[in-house]
Amino acid sequence: AQTVTQSQPEMSVQEAETVTLSCTYDTSESDYYLFWYKQPPSRQMILVIRQEAYKQQNATENRFSVNFQKAAKSFSLKISDSQLGDAAMYFCAYRSTSFGNEKLTFGTGTRLTIIP
Amino acid sequence: DAGVTQSPTHLIKTRGQQVTLRCSPKSGHDTVSWYQQALGQGPQFIFQYYEEEERQRGNFPDRFSGHQFPNYSSELNVNALLLGDSALYLCASSPLHTSGRARRPLYNEQFFGPGTRLTVL
Repeated sequence: AQTVTQSQPEMSVQEAETVTLSCTYDTSESDYYLFWYKQPPSRQMILVIRQEAYKQQNATENRFSVNFQKAAKSFSLKISDSQLGDAAMYFCAYRSTSFGNEKLTFGTGTRLTIIP
Repeated sequence: DAGVTQSPTHLIKTRGQQVTLRCSPKSGHDTVSWYQQALGQGPQFIFQYYEEEERQRGNFPDRFSGHQFPNYSSELNVNALLLGDSALYLCASSPLHTSGRARRPLYNEQFFGPGTRLTVL
């Protein structure tokens, strides 16, 4: 079974600064997806960024980028130029690429606070 | 284009009662997944429905059951409620991509609804 671990329950960053959220995972599969989701107080889970394990290049989406270290099973999220709207819970998640196995396995989350 | 909708928003029940939560998928989606998110935790997968059948199930007891209708909407039923069932229940929809002749199925994003907050007293 796959597991996802987020060891930082809370993080804070000054507005306009950069912050990195950590995630490690465990799996015996060689091909999979990794995600970062954002959950604001409105509760709706929003996909921030996706990484496909077979791709060596780190995914980027505007101010959001990841550092994917497959051998170390590490997947961190970097948020640049932090904005007040980035304040939320952030969840790291894993998903197999196997057909019929589409469940998402989530970590326990990191609460990100933006300091004005 | 409406996204994933869930009803009700909030619900309060007492131990031993039964509850039904509802989900309407995003337009064009035929697969619905349900997750339970306890306070301070990440969501946990309950099950997924496709073509009105349970396609995949997580580690939840039989008290948790579901149904999918021909219009792809779905219900989550929980019987004999326990205090520990208090949680945010999230529904996610996605289009099902068959693997066909491809070795690797196409990626299909799961879109989440706003959730139903269930409190069991």
